[in-house]
Amino acid sequence: GIQVEQSPPDLILQEGANSTLRCNFSDSVNNLQWFHQNPWGQLINLFYIPSGTKQNGRLSATTVATERYSLLYISSSQTTDSGVYFCAVGDRGSTLGRLYFGRGTQLTVWP
Amino acid sequence: NAGVMQNPRHLVRRRGQEARLRCSPMKGHSHVYWYRQLPEEGLKFMVYLQKENIIDESGMPKERFSAEFPKEGPSILRIQQVVRGDSAAYFCASSPRRDEQYFGPGTRLTVT
Repeated sequence: GIQVEQSPPDLILQEGANSTLRCNFSDSVNNLQWFHQNPWGQLINLFYIPSGTKQNGRLSATTVATERYSLLYISSSQTTDSGVYFCAVGDRGSTLGRLYFGRGTQLTVWP
Repeated sequence: NAGVMQNPRHLVRRRGQEARLRCSPMKGHSHVYWYRQLPEEGLKFMVYLQKENIIDESGMPKERFSAEFPKEGPSILRIQQVVRGDSAAYFCASSPRRDEQYFGPGTRLTVT
């Protein structure tokens, strides 16, 4: 299956700071999603972005499929942004749709 | 439009008992996926179902685990004779077209 690597594994920020999370993947994809797992364990959909750029409030994401990476930008961090951010991809060579997850980036935002 | 529903949210079972986890997909979604989150392994795919059919079960343990998605009612993930190693968070996701997947809140299974 596809290998998904996320960096950095841990990130500690002060409120108001900006950050960039990276997701590298090993093969062509037909699906790429970013999730936020909050402290209660729920997985929140952030972006569905197999290619291109999207923005939603303070968050934005860019996927460069030809170079096999995606970036998640968080601006003006807030304490409620804390949690684990996952990148997940679907294999372009498969029609089955299963997602392969990275190990995540643990983000902690201090007031 | 209600999101993906999972119940129970928390489930405690003694070793050897059966666990039944339920998932109701979003309205209009006919594709259901189950994933398991283990502390040391991260989130892993288990099984993909459409109504009345198992499409891909390559991520399911060969024994004790089964899944179904009947014509009527929720999808069920069933674990027979649970062991401590089954303790994990189990997530269900649904999709309208095998593209973007929407996740439920998960069921936290604890085996004592």
